[in-house]
Amino acid sequence: ELKVEQNPLFLSMQEGKNYTIYCNYSTTSDRLYWYRQDPGKSLESLFVLLSNGAVKQEGRLMASLDTKARLSTLHITAAVHDLSATYFCAVDKAGGTASKLTFGTGTRLQVTL
Amino acid sequence: ETGVTQSPTHLIKTRGQQVTLRCSSQSGHNTVSWYQQALGQGPQFIFQYYREEENGRGNFPPRFSGLQFPNYSSELNVNALELDDSALYLCASSSVNTEAFFGQGTRLTVV
Repeated sequence: ELKVEQNPLFLSMQEGKNYTIYCNYSTTSDRLYWYRQDPGKSLESLFVLLSNGAVKQEGRLMASLDTKARLSTLHITAAVHDLSATYFCAVDKAGGTASKLTFGTGTRLQVTL
Repeated sequence: ETGVTQSPTHLIKTRGQQVTLRCSSQSGHNTVSWYQQALGQGPQFIFQYYREEENGRGNFPPRFSGLQFPNYSSELNVNALELDDSALYLCASSSVNTEAFFGQGTRLTVV
């Protein structure tokens, strides 16, 4: 059974600081996703990582994937209040079919002024 | 904004009742997956429909059932509602080897 673990579960950080969210998964996967979710809202896709060593950046967020370690990271640079949300990683073990995602527990990020 | 639409956005049902949730997939996508997200948790895979047939199921009882129609839209039906069924239900559309795009969700409250 595929398991996905995130840490930390909750992160309170000051504006301007840097931090990293970690996502570990238990078996090989085809794709790894990062999503953002605001309270009461749906999931917003941030990154799709397809291969070992993949690195993607968008604004203050950068995601990376190490398939050998079964680890993905989401790095936040110089956090701003607008980044406050819950972040999920999800692993897709599609095996040539359409996506069936296993999500992590989520990391609730609170950026304080 | 994705082309995946769900209806209704919110509803309240009584324990023991039945509910049907609907999802229209994004143009060009032939697969619909359903997820349940309880408060404070990550989404859990319920099942997936491809070519009008169930194509994989998570750890959910048979009272959770679904349909997919020729236009690839889908329904999620839940019978004999329980309080623990209260959650955000998310629909995602995709095709083989494509990213899944999520709808805005349906918030179900069972009282």
